[in-house]
Amino acid sequence: ETGVTQSPTHLIKTRGQQVTLRCSSQSGHNTVSWYQQALGQGPQFIFQYYREEENGRGNFPPRFSGLQFPNYSSELNVNALELDDSALYLCASSGTEWNEQFFGPGTRLTVL
Amino acid sequence: GENVEQHPSTLSVQEGDSAVIKCTYSDSASNYFPWYKQELGKGPQLIIDIRSNVGEKKDQRIAVTLNKTAKHFSLHITETQPEDSAVYFCAAYGNNRLAFGKGNQVVVIP
Repeated sequence: ETGVTQSPTHLIKTRGQQVTLRCSSQSGHNTVSWYQQALGQGPQFIFQYYREEENGRGNFPPRFSGLQFPNYSSELNVNALELDDSALYLCASSGTEWNEQFFGPGTRLTVL
Repeated sequence: GENVEQHPSTLSVQEGDSAVIKCTYSDSASNYFPWYKQELGKGPQLIIDIRSNVGEKKDQRIAVTLNKTAKHFSLHITETQPEDSAVYFCAAYGNNRLAFGKGNQVVVIP
């Protein structure tokens, strides 16, 4: 059984640029949730995708968007990057029990 | 939305002693309470969870208790070992999302 994988591991961007982060869900899981974790804080919910549709969204602006593909993998896109977007971005997948979420290793995004 | 608070922020224990981390939540509709362990440079790892219809759950050296009336839940680690050193997060699930506390740094002193 393959766990949740994310790419890239690290990324450095400058203000105003756009970024795409990728996530492959754990084998057998069809739901993906994205979280932002600032340094020294707990993860904050961005949104969830189920059956290729957004299925809940946290308090993040529209420049945070996502996609889910037929193989259940997912992308997180962030436009017009701001310095405060620097964080660890975590992807979590779940199966029939949406609450039981398993996290990937994260992508560390630095915005300069 | 749900607000999860976690205390204390840092906990140092001697190896072999017990560690207890406490959390409170605000939304009575939350029905699932997982605990995650996060080591440096890694994603959170689910270590134990409890559902709202259960008061206590144990898995080897770790246990979780839930008091729905008081909206409290706690993580208990017994016979702590150096590899238990990490940041521990509590979370509450409701409305299709996990709401996390700010985390506890647990340091096990050999």
